[in-house]
Amino acid sequence: AQKVTQAQTEISVVEKEDVTLDCVYETRDTTYYLFWYKQPPSGELVFLIRRNSFDEQNEISGRYSWNFQKSTSSFNFTITASQVVDSAVYFCALSEADQAGTALIFGKGTTLSVSS
Amino acid sequence: DAGVTQSPTHLIKTRGQHVTLRCSPISGHKSVSWYQQVLGQGPQFIFQYYEKEERGRGNFPDRFSARQFPNYSSELNVNALLLGDSALYLCASSFRPGLAGGMAYEQYFGPGTRLTVT
Repeated sequence: AQKVTQAQTEISVVEKEDVTLDCVYETRDTTYYLFWYKQPPSGELVFLIRRNSFDEQNEISGRYSWNFQKSTSSFNFTITASQVVDSAVYFCALSEADQAGTALIFGKGTTLSVSS
Repeated sequence: DAGVTQSPTHLIKTRGQHVTLRCSPISGHKSVSWYQQVLGQGPQFIFQYYEKEERGRGNFPDRFSARQFPNYSSELNVNALLLGDSALYLCASSFRPGLAGGMAYEQYFGPGTRLTVT
């Protein structure tokens, strides 16, 4: 069965620190997609990145970077030089290729608090 | 362009009542999905619709139903409300469901409807 585990419930850092959010997934499929979403206090989920199972290249977008490792079934998210505006709940999600639809299976989320 | 819109923003209902939540997808998007997010948890998939047809259903009781209209907007209905139905209900739109052509179409979420059942 598919499952997403975000073992870190809460993380607190001080501005300008680097922080890594962990995500471990389980799936029987060889083709699948992984996502990260950000949920600020307003509640709206903001799409950050999509990764497919065939592309293990790391990706960097500004202060954000993602490390996808199939060997350990992990898709970790690093924020460099964190800012107060990064404070939010971050969700990792999985979607499998054999579904007619594309239901997202979410982890329980990691609450990131960045203080000034 | 407008994003996904949902109405109402907040709702308070009594146990046993019925509720209808509404969602309008991003212009050009033909698929709508519904998720339930209980406090402190990640969203859980309820339904996905595409071209007015149900394309996926999560593990929710029959009290939950939905439909999609010709303009691609959608309604989520919940009958015989229970206290446990209190949650944030999120609607997401995508161009289409499925992973055709090796592409997973991103789902863009609305602000949600906060339902409180007393």
